[in-house]
Amino acid sequence: EAGVTQSPTHLIKTRGQQATLRCSPISGHTSVYWYQQALGLGLQFLLWYDEGEERNRGNFPPRFSGRQFPNYSSELNVNALELEDSALYLCASSPRQGWNTEAFFGQGTRLTVV
Amino acid sequence: QQQVKQSPQSLIVQKGGISIINCAYENTAFDYFPWYQQFPGKGPALLIAIRPDVSEKKEGRFTISFNKSAKQFSLHIMDSQPGDSATYFCAASDGGATNKLIFGTGTLLAVQP
Repeated sequence: EAGVTQSPTHLIKTRGQQATLRCSPISGHTSVYWYQQALGLGLQFLLWYDEGEERNRGNFPPRFSGRQFPNYSSELNVNALELEDSALYLCASSPRQGWNTEAFFGQGTRLTVV
Repeated sequence: QQQVKQSPQSLIVQKGGISIINCAYENTAFDYFPWYQQFPGKGPALLIAIRPDVSEKKEGRFTISFNKSAKQFSLHIMDSQPGDSATYFCAASDGGATNKLIFGTGTLLAVQP
């Protein structure tokens, strides 16, 4: 069974540009979560999508947005990139709502803003 | 109240020793407590998880001890091996409307041969 896949693996952008990160969940998983792992700050919750709807978002500005497609894959968009957006962005999926089921992370996308 | 406090920040253990990582939480609505293992350049991998209706869960060399009254839980790695060297994160979730997984700040474990 394929795990959570994220693309691209690495992304380098210039300050002020937009970045688009993609995530394909494990087959059969309907919930997708996005986390930011910045150096020294641990994993911070960004967004949760389930059945195509945004269910919850973390304490991040509106320039962080995303969507979930009918096939449950997801996209994270970061507009007006700032240097401090440089981080590892992790996507996770679970079979249904709730972390009380097993949830699996992808390898992440390393975003570098220069 | 949403924080999960993790200690120590780093840990050095000799091969064959016991590694112990501790976490504490405030939110009594948390009802799911997983531990994740992360190797450099990789995403976190679910290691073991516990619910508050049990005080201990063991899977192989990994054990979670849970103290509901103290709002603390810990990960014990028995017979630690160099291959266990990684960053370990505790986490907690209420599984409810927020559905957020709140992570601790991580513990960098180094097991010396």
